[in-house]
Parts: sequence; structure tokens; C-alpha cells
Amino acid sequence: GNSVTQMEGPVTLSEEAFLTINCTYTATGYPSLFWYVQYPGEGLQLLLKATKADDKGSNKGFEATYRKETTSFHLEKGSVQVSDSAVYFCALSGETSGSRLTFGEGTQLTVNP
Amino acid sequence: KAGVTQTPRYLIKTRGQQVTLSCSPISGHRSVSWYQQTPGQGLQFLFEYFSETQRNKGNFPGRFSGRQFSNSRSEMNVSTLELGDSALYLCASSYDRSLNTEAFFGQGTRLTVV
Repeated sequence: GNSVTQMEGPVTLSEEAFLTINCTYTATGYPSLFWYVQYPGEGLQLLLKATKADDKGSNKGFEATYRKETTSFHLEKGSVQVSDSAVYFCALSGETSGSRLTFGEGTQLTVNP
Repeated sequence: KAGVTQTPRYLIKTRGQQVTLSCSPISGHRSVSWYQQTPGQGLQFLFEYFSETQRNKGNFPGRFSGRQFSNSRSEMNVSTLELGDSALYLCASSYDRSLNTEAFFGQGTRLTVV
């Protein structure tokens, strides 16, 4: 079946530091890949997505590239801000999943001023 | 346009009781999925509804059930509540069931079973 593995957290960074959160997946065929963010007390918000190999999703300074050869979708940001503190989830939607998403474990990011 | 609305936001129930949670999707969206979020298990898929039919079901016991109405609103029900059912229940709304469709999440219902 489909699965997503994220790097273990929590991650603590200083403001303006570089961020990488690793995500690898297992799925048959060509899934769509997503990064969602969850702020305290809220639901999930889509951060970015990529729907085919070598696509790069980007939003609010965050980027992730769909790498079919390494089955990865790592999240990066060049300079994090305190307001980026949240939980980040990598997710996939498989070819036969409908709108069902398979999520990684989530990575708690804390950015200190 | 209005987002996904889940009601109630918070619930406290006693073991053995049953509970019904409601989700109103974004207008025009026909697919609704439910997820359970706990610190230990993360986000786990419960079920997906599209056009009033259950299309996918996760690995949960039969105490968990759901339905979708003709206006796409959805409810999920949990009977004979157990302490382990305490969780944040999230509803996600999508326009359709295509591979690339974006899911929009509600703020969730926080269920506490005592």
C-alpha cells in the first residue's frame, strides 16, 4: 500500500536559518505529492503540491521537488521566520485513492527569534 | 467563499456513549473525507464519501460510521465510545476525486472521552 515517511522531529531553528524536512514515499505508479501545514488549534492548510515527476511546488518561500528516482519530496526554505513555526505534513494521493490522502508522521518546527 | 465548517468544535463524552460529528464542505465540493488525528498515531484516514456513497474506508472498527447527504454535507458517528477515541477529527472537502484535487480542511472537532 501507500506510505509516507518524514524525518523525525522536532526541529528547532533560529530565524533566517535554512530549513529542510525530508520526505520519502512508497506508492505504485505516479502519485500526487503534497505538503500541508498545521498551526496550533487549526486544521491543515495546503502549502504546496506537485503532480508529476520533476515538478517543483512552491509557495511562501517554501519549495519541494517531486523526485521519482529517489521517491522523495523534501521541503526546503532558504530563510525561516518565527511565523513558520507549525507542524508540517507530507502527503500523497495515489492513482486509485480518490481524494484519500496518506500522511507522514508530521514534523514540528519551532523557529526562535 | 466559506471554508469547511465542522461542528461542534469541542465535545466531551463518557465511555459507552455515542457521538455525531458534522461537516459542511465548501460549496460545490462533492467529496468529503474524514481523518482522526492523535499524538500517537498521527493522521489516519477514516472514510471518503462522494455523491452520497462511501468510496473508501480506512482500517477502523465498525463503531465508526458515516454518511453523506444530497447537499454533500457529511456526518460521522462513533458508537460505544472508548477512551482511545479521544482525538481531533478532521474533515476535508474536495471538488472531486481526481488525483490532483486539493483537499481543504476544517478546523476539526476535538473529542474527549472520559
